[in-house]
Amino acid sequence: SQQGEEDPQALSIQEGENATMNCSYKTSINNLQWYRQNSGRGLVHLILIRSNEREKHSGRLRVTLDTSKKSSSLLITASRAADTASYFCATDGSARQLTFGSGTQLTVLP
Amino acid sequence: GAGVSQSPSNKVTEKGKDVELRCDPISGHTALYWYRQSLGQGLEFLIYFQGNSAPDKSGLPSDRFSAERTGGSVSTLTIQRTQQEDSAVYLCASRDWVGGTYEQYFGPGTRLTVT
Repeated sequence: SQQGEEDPQALSIQEGENATMNCSYKTSINNLQWYRQNSGRGLVHLILIRSNEREKHSGRLRVTLDTSKKSSSLLITASRAADTASYFCATDGSARQLTFGSGTQLTVLP
Repeated sequence: GAGVSQSPSNKVTEKGKDVELRCDPISGHTALYWYRQSLGQGLEFLIYFQGNSAPDKSGLPSDRFSAERTGGSVSTLTIQRTQQEDSAVYLCASRDWVGGTYEQYFGPGTRLTVT
């Protein structure tokens, strides 16, 4: 079974709105990462948050991590049509392999 | 610089045939991963190579699946006697372990269709 589980599974918003996606996981981690995937092909790394961090920003992205609840959220502010993609969280526990969730499909309507 | 490349980008094969998928990682990256992604699903870990260590094969779904990495660079994933449930996108990723970075760099994937 997947270590990380995202919700919602699908999210549709208007351009300019904010999009929030959540991820829950089960075991202890060294870090948690968010990836983006367009059209079911290669994944692009967005942001990494370490287990001792609570919040991190990168451009329009904001990631939070709550290790006590084993959860993370990804916020995309001022969304654009080009943000339409699938977003995956991935946990890095052994610092070797990443365990991916099932993803959130984000659609940003122009 | 060049990223991770995979070939072929698409492969259609008949049930029962063997297929080979190739991954060229980023030069110098010591860690290489294979994942499988079924339609609309997340990534399923298959196998991991790190330097000269024995590969972690814990994710391979059956003995029809095997992979090798020659010379610490190019990797080939082989699926023998393909089944329809093997249809998926197979993604390869590499990581620079020595550099201490945790980010994995993904290739564009090979879309395998078993008819």
